[in-house]
Amino acid sequence: QKEVEQDPGPLSVPEGAIVSLNCTYSNSAFQYFMWYRQYSRKGPELLMYTYSSGNKEDGRFTAQVDKSSKYISLFIRDSQPSDSATYLCAMCSNSGYALNFGKGTSLLVTP
Amino acid sequence: DVKVTQSSRYLVKRTGEKVFLECVQDMDHENMFWYRQDPGLGLRLIYFSYDVKMKEKGDIPEGYSVSREKKERFSLILESASTNQTSMYLCASSFAGEETQYFGPGTRLLVL
Repeated sequence: QKEVEQDPGPLSVPEGAIVSLNCTYSNSAFQYFMWYRQYSRKGPELLMYTYSSGNKEDGRFTAQVDKSSKYISLFIRDSQPSDSATYLCAMCSNSGYALNFGKGTSLLVTP
Repeated sequence: DVKVTQSSRYLVKRTGEKVFLECVQDMDHENMFWYRQDPGLGLRLIYFSYDVKMKEKGDIPEGYSVSREKKERFSLILESASTNQTSMYLCASSFAGEETQYFGPGTRLLVL
């Protein structure tokens, strides 16, 4: 079983919808969780960072970590066409070590 | 703003050629990483480096080598390019003790 699982999509939603993106993982030692956004033909850019369990909000984006279920989520409120991208979850167990990435979910927000 | 630059956005090489991919970061990061990204396989770590002249193998080091002679620069070398090395190559960097990595724009390599 791969350590990080992420549904590749594609996920298509109308503009203004609430989007929910999710990852599950198997390694209970993971405690640092990140979401990256990657536009087509570009490098990933860091979107959200969370340590351990709980929620973190930044504008229209909310990251949620449930360590008991080994499940992380990214919510996007009032989605915009500019949110159309691939979203990658990433996590690790120790500071500064190589990250474990999900394969990414492709999101399309239609006007 | 962190800036990670990669020497080429697109590269076309022939089978058997030696290929150099260069990455430079301007934030004095200790850690540097090379990944490749393929459809359906996601990001896979090739090599990483914690310091100058230090290197560690990632998940898929076969067919690759790296060089880090200066802190800001991390090179990926394909000794003899093969068609199965056609991919998107991404460089990233981070501070020691920090989890967040910052990525460059990527190099799309096509090996014919």
